[in-house]
Amino acid sequence: GQSLEQPSEVTAVEGAIVQINCTYQTSGFYGLSWYQQHDGGAPTFLSYNALDGLEETGRFSSFLSRSDSYGYLLLQELQMKDSASYFCAVREPSGTYKYIFGTGTRLKVLA
Amino acid sequence: DAGITQSPRYKITETGRQVTLMCHQTWSHSYMFWYRQDLGHGLRLIYYSAAADITDKGEVPDGYVVSRSKTENFPLTLESATRSQTSVYFCASSQGVAGAQETQYFGPGTRLLVL
Repeated sequence: GQSLEQPSEVTAVEGAIVQINCTYQTSGFYGLSWYQQHDGGAPTFLSYNALDGLEETGRFSSFLSRSDSYGYLLLQELQMKDSASYFCAVREPSGTYKYIFGTGTRLKVLA
Repeated sequence: DAGITQSPRYKITETGRQVTLMCHQTWSHSYMFWYRQDLGHGLRLIYYSAAADITDKGEVPDGYVVSRSKTENFPLTLESATRSQTSVYFCASSQGVAGAQETQYFGPGTRLLVL
């Protein structure tokens, strides 16, 4: 089956830049999405890559390389409020509307 | 503008009981999804719906039933609850499944405990 692998935890300090990777064992999927989830909250959409390359949205950027089966979320100028879990997600290429989420990366931002 | 809501927010039930979790969205989004979230597993798709009266299984459908008679509602029923169904359940909706329309909007979640 499809799978999306992410590091379980990343720690960084305020003001730093952090990269959260997502590697996948699938092909032909439609696009790569990223979601943020604070403890006790619901996931919220951050970014979407339909094509290879970099997408920038404020302090957040997301990158996709289908040839390398790899994507990442880049967070710049880290703030304490960025402490949360981050999930990558893809829609399966089977013609259905099934979505697969990665296991998530817990980001801790230190003062 | 209510967006997407779920009820109840918290539920305690016993093994073998039937439980229904409600999901309602006010955007008239075509697509709706049910996920469960457990530690170490991230979000796993239970069922999804592409439109009223069109539903299909996701990754972990066993023990669950869904219906979608109206576009705005997508209830999830646990026919006979088991302890392994203790989890946080999220409902989500999206306008479409291509490009920017693929963005999913999640409800606040229902925390279910099966004793």
